[in-house]
Amino acid sequence: KNEVEQSPQNLTAQEGEFITINCSYSVGISALHWLQQHPGGGIVSLFMLSSGKKKHGRLIATINIQEKHSSLHITASHPRDSAVYICVDGSEKLVFGKGTKLTVNP
Amino acid sequence: NAGVTQTPKFQVLKTGQSMTLQCAQDMNHEYMSWYRQDPGMGLRLIHYSVGAGITDQGEVPNGYNVSRSTTEDFPLRLLSAAPSQTSVYFCASSSGQKNSPLHFGNGTRLTVT
Repeated sequence: KNEVEQSPQNLTAQEGEFITINCSYSVGISALHWLQQHPGGGIVSLFMLSSGKKKHGRLIATINIQEKHSSLHITASHPRDSAVYICVDGSEKLVFGKGTKLTVNP
Repeated sequence: NAGVTQTPKFQVLKTGQSMTLQCAQDMNHEYMSWYRQDPGMGLRLIHYSVGAGITDQGEVPNGYNVSRSTTEDFPLRLLSAAPSQTSVYFCASSSGQKNSPLHFGNGTRLTVT
């Protein structure tokens, strides 16, 4: 079973700061998801990537298949980015990290 | 499109009762799955399906049954509820194609007393 580890578990930032959330996994995978869970509980998919880098607005996700590591970056963070960010091994039996709780203060 | 629809949003059961959590999607997705989310544990896969008539167990299948008679629906059945099944349950779907995103329902908060 793949072990998916995220760091940090909790992160507090000031508005405007550059944020990095890390994800490492123990078994090689073909793809990885990044999800965002809002304080109200809803979960949305941010990225699915199998190599390289993807960008959507202020969010950037990278993956290094050889090093079994992915990062999620948020540029110019804003209080509305406050949420739990979850990385997921995108194989058939999805394995989730425990999430990183991000709080961005104004 | 409604996306992924989960019902009910909240449910309280007594130990030993049975119930079915409903999940429906209107995106013609082949892959559907059920998760539970508990504090400090993250989301854990209960059961999943890669198409109509096909189901398989995830990480925590005990106490739950599923079936997939149509592409659209993937109900989760609790046969005899236990307090350990108190949790928030999420259903998700995807097309199953490479690089396709997951679509989640809004969750069901279940309390078993």
